[in-house]
Amino acid sequence: DAKTTQPTSMDCAEGRAANLPCNHSTISGNEYVYWYRQIHSQGPQYIIHGLKNNETNEMASLIITEDRKSSTLILPHATLRDTAVYYCIVSPLNISLNRDDKIIFGKGTRLHILP
Amino acid sequence: KAGVTQTPRYLIKTRGQQVTLSCSPISGHRSVSWYQQTPGQGLQFLFEYFSETQRNKGNFPGRFSGRQFSNSRSEMNVSTLELGDSALYLCASSLGGDSHEQFFGPGTRLTVL
Repeated sequence: DAKTTQPTSMDCAEGRAANLPCNHSTISGNEYVYWYRQIHSQGPQYIIHGLKNNETNEMASLIITEDRKSSTLILPHATLRDTAVYYCIVSPLNISLNRDDKIIFGKGTRLHILP
Repeated sequence: KAGVTQTPRYLIKTRGQQVTLSCSPISGHRSVSWYQQTPGQGLQFLFEYFSETQRNKGNFPGRFSGRQFSNSRSEMNVSTLELGDSALYLCASSLGGDSHEQFFGPGTRLTVL
């Protein structure tokens, strides 16, 4: 089972900020929060990651709660090209030999940007 | 720098056959991971290879296997194909070590008849 819970789908008006929530209440201390998105017929694309602090890059911002049990991906000015499935994943950085941890994407949130 | 390439892009097989899929990572990347994507189950992790060694494995039967070569190219093999193996198989590469980002290829669409 996925370690994260995301809404199945969301709508956002073009030009507005899209806020995608993710619950990861069982996250371990050494696990990062990663966000990827997948546009139809393409492989997933990395967006951003974080451990404890909020992060921002040219694509998005990541807000992680103080207890690390949930996070929000923010696309500040959504465009039609942001229509995709967004995956929130928790995973340790270094996957060592013989670990039982699995990298599980789950089913993600289907984000529809409305013109 | 060229991205991750996967061959073939599309494949049709029949039940009971076996199939080998190929992935060429980005130059310099030593880690290659494989994923299966189906409409019902979403994106599921198969296994990861780093420096020719399998480092991590998902919950898939032994019919699914893989290997990595010294040039970091990787192959995935599925034997005794079943209808339920029809899926998009994605390969992702990363530098490994302290690298966070995985770069995904376009995938191989496998159809089992």
